[in-house]
Amino acid sequence: EAGVAQSPRYKIIEKRQSVAFWCNPISGHATLYWYQQILGQGPKLLIQFQNNGVVDDSQLPKDRFSAERLKGVDSTLKIQPAKLEDSAVYLCASSLDDRGGGETQYFGPGTRLLVL
Amino acid sequence: GENVEQHPSTLSVQEGDSAVIKCTYSDSASNYFPWYKQELGKRPQLIIDIRSNVGEKKDQRIAVTLNKTAKHFSLHITETQPEDSAVYFCAASPTISGGYNKLIFGAGTRLAVHP
Repeated sequence: EAGVAQSPRYKIIEKRQSVAFWCNPISGHATLYWYQQILGQGPKLLIQFQNNGVVDDSQLPKDRFSAERLKGVDSTLKIQPAKLEDSAVYLCASSLDDRGGGETQYFGPGTRLLVL
Repeated sequence: GENVEQHPSTLSVQEGDSAVIKCTYSDSASNYFPWYKQELGKRPQLIIDIRSNVGEKKDQRIAVTLNKTAKHFSLHITETQPEDSAVYFCAASPTISGGYNKLIFGAGTRLAVHP
């Protein structure tokens, strides 16, 4: 079974530029998550999708971050414009169906973003 | 808001010793508590989890205990080996709208096992 795929693996941009990350979850997984992991910290949930609907985006800085999962499969996360403090690893994860909780989340390899 | 505190932030043990990592959570409605291991530059990987209707779970050298009354849970690794060296994250799963749950992660514990 193929795992969660993410691209690009690394990205270096200057502040105020825009950047987009792509995630393809495990086939058949209804729930998709985007996390931000700053160096030395635990992953922080940015947004959670159930199929193509948003379940939680309370921690997403909506003035600069946006995410979509239009067809309920793959997803993109965009930052526009980027700030220095956005430097982090952006992890995508998926699970079968998290309604009711307790579903194992499988993580992708992450995209390491450096904002200069 | 929801919060998960994890201690210690770093832990150094000799090979063969036991290691214990402790976490506390704030949302009493949390019902799922996974532990993830993250090696340097790699993705987090689930090593063990426990649900709120169970007090203890064991898988070979790894065990997790849950005290719902005190809202804390712990990871126990026995007979540690150098390959256990990594950062370990606990997480708790509070309920959000629509009957879904999300994961709140602790800040992590860097475990070093010395030969």
